[in-house]
Amino acid sequence: AQTVTQSQPEMSVQEAETVTLSCTYDTSESNYYLFWYKQPPSRQMILVIRQEAYKQQNATENRFSVNFQKAAKSFSLKISDSQLGDTAMYFCAFMDGSSNTGKLIFGQGTTLQVKP
Amino acid sequence: KAGVTQTPRYLIKTRGQQVTLSCSPISGHRSVSWYQQTPGQGLQFLFEYFSETQRNKGNFPGRFSGRQFSNSRSEMNVSTLELGDSALYLCASSFAQETQYFGPGTRLLVL
Repeated sequence: AQTVTQSQPEMSVQEAETVTLSCTYDTSESNYYLFWYKQPPSRQMILVIRQEAYKQQNATENRFSVNFQKAAKSFSLKISDSQLGDTAMYFCAFMDGSSNTGKLIFGQGTTLQVKP
Repeated sequence: KAGVTQTPRYLIKTRGQQVTLSCSPISGHRSVSWYQQTPGQGLQFLFEYFSETQRNKGNFPGRFSGRQFSNSRSEMNVSTLELGDSALYLCASSFAQETQYFGPGTRLLVL
């Protein structure tokens, strides 16, 4: 069974600093996708970044970047120049790309607080 | 493009009742997936529909069902509600199979 693990339940960072959220996953598949979603207090789930497993280059989206280590099955999210609006729960998610499942498997989430 | 919409946003029901939640995907998206989010179990996959067909189902009892219409709008139904069904129900739509965009969710409280 595929699993996603986020080992940091809570983290905090000072505004303008950099923070890294960890995620590991387990799968025997070679074709898959990884995502980070953000869920602020409004509970709206917002896509932050995605990574295709077949791509060696790490994905970046403005202040957000990932460190994708396929062999180690690790997928961490780095947030640079943290802003107060980054305060949210962050979920790492996995999708099997070998079949049309439409199913995301989520980690338990990391609550990030950005302090002024 | 308008985002994914869900109605109603909040709902209070009593045990034994049934409930229907609605989800309208982003225009052009044909896949709709449903998730249940609770503090104890986190985010769990309920089912996925594509072109009016259920392609995948999570590990939930038969009280949870869904359907998709020809315009890609989807509904999920929970019959004989239990206290444990209190949760945030999220739907997500996708055009390409892998990237899902979520709606604001429906908060269901079962009393």
